[in-house]
Amino acid sequence: GAVVSQHPSWVICKSGTSVKIECRSLDFQATTMFWYRQFPKQSLMLMATSNEGSKATYEQGVEKDKFLINHASLTLSTLTVTSAHPEDSSFYICSARKNLGTGELFFGEGSRLTVL
Amino acid sequence: AQSVSQHNHHVILSEAASLELGCNYSYGGTVNLFWYVQYPGQHLQLLLKYFSGDPLVKGIKGFEAEFIKSKFSFNLRKPSVQWSDTAEYFCAVNRRAAGNKLTFGGGTRVLVKP
Repeated sequence: GAVVSQHPSWVICKSGTSVKIECRSLDFQATTMFWYRQFPKQSLMLMATSNEGSKATYEQGVEKDKFLINHASLTLSTLTVTSAHPEDSSFYICSARKNLGTGELFFGEGSRLTVL
Repeated sequence: AQSVSQHNHHVILSEAASLELGCNYSYGGTVNLFWYVQYPGQHLQLLLKYFSGDPLVKGIKGFEAEFIKSKFSFNLRKPSVQWSDTAEYFCAVNRRAAGNKLTFGGGTRVLVKP
C-alpha cells in the first residue's frame, strides 16, 4: 500500500497558459501533502505544504499566486502553474503523509513540465 | 538557515566495494532522519529512517545508517554494493519544530561499475 500517483507525468505547454498537476494518494488518506520542485542535477526544493480544507503554506520565495495549490479532499491535491513561462519548466514532485502513519512520506512519480 | 549537506555529489565504485555516503545537518532540536533513493527512471523511495532508539538503523537492500547526535551526522553505508545500487541517494531531515517539513540534501549520484 501507500501509493501516490501524479498526473500528468509529462506536459508541454505554450508560454502564458496554465497547467494543472494532480497528486492522489490511492490507498490512504492524507491531510498533508507536499509539493517539491527538482531542477536538473539538483535536490528537491520544498515549494509548499498543502493542507486539506485550508490554505497551503508556501516556502519563502515561492509565489503563491503563481503556484496555486488546492487540497479539496483527503486524497487529492492539485498544483496549478498559472501563466507558465519557460523558467517554470521543471520536475514537480508531490508527496503525502499517511494520516495515521509513522511520518514517512510517500512520493509520486513526478510531473515534468516543459514550457515553450 | 536550515541545511542538510551531503559531502559527495558523485561516487563511482566497483561491485563488491563498500559504500559510505555522508550526511550532516545544521540545526538542533528533535529531528527525524531519512535516506531516500531514486533509481533511474523511478520515483523516490525510502531506504531507511531514524526516529529514536538505536542509532544504528538497518534499512532495505542491505543499507544501514548511523545517527551520531554529537556530530549532527547520519551517514549511509553498505558493505558490498551491487550494480543495481546505481541510483541517486538523498538524505532528508524532518525537524519537528518546523512543522514536520522534510529538508533534502543535495543528493549523491552513485554509479556502480559491473
